[in-house]
Amino acid sequence: EAGVAQSPRYKIIEKRQSVAFWCNPISGHATLYWYQQILGQGPKLLIQFQNNGVVDDSQLPKDRFSAERLKGVDSTLKIQPAKLEDSAVYLCASSAGGGGYEQYFGPGTRLTVT
Amino acid sequence: GENVEQHPSTLSVQEGDSAVIKCTYSDSASNYFPWYKQELGKGPQLIIDIRSNVGEKKDQRIAVTLNKTAKHFSLHITETQPEDSAVYFCAASQGDNQGGKLIFGQGTELSVKP
Repeated sequence: EAGVAQSPRYKIIEKRQSVAFWCNPISGHATLYWYQQILGQGPKLLIQFQNNGVVDDSQLPKDRFSAERLKGVDSTLKIQPAKLEDSAVYLCASSAGGGGYEQYFGPGTRLTVT
Repeated sequence: GENVEQHPSTLSVQEGDSAVIKCTYSDSASNYFPWYKQELGKGPQLIIDIRSNVGEKKDQRIAVTLNKTAKHFSLHITETQPEDSAVYFCAASQGDNQGGKLIFGQGTELSVKP
């Protein structure tokens, strides 16, 4: 089966610009996660969707980050305006359910903010 | 909240030797502990996981052990090969994993020298 797809793979923007990332989860997976991975650290959860509803967005900087999952399939994560400290890899993961199910990650989008 | 500590941060072994990576967690309600392997430029790949009703799990050259009393779990790789070189992350579920949220360790960079 096809894995989690993400695009773009790389993005370079200047601070205060906006950027959007796209994720297509594994077919049939109800739960979708967005993680931020800063260089040299483990992934940190930004937001979790169950179908098209938000389950957890407690660590999402809502003044600049937003995410949506229309129709419970694809998802987009947006940053507006970007800051230098947003430079990181943004990973999307999906699982068949919520708790108790394995999470599978996409290749990530490497964002550089200059 | 949950905190996961991972050691060592770097590990270098000779091909054929064993490698051990250790993690401790703080939330006694955690009951799901996956391990991920991340190669350069790729997303984390699930390699093995263990649930709290099991003390040890093996899959070919990889094994994971869990000590719930001490709140620590370990990854054991035997007969290491150069292709095992990567960054390894442990993770623990937040609480009883009803929501599926994972807290990741800081990562261990494993280098296997031929």
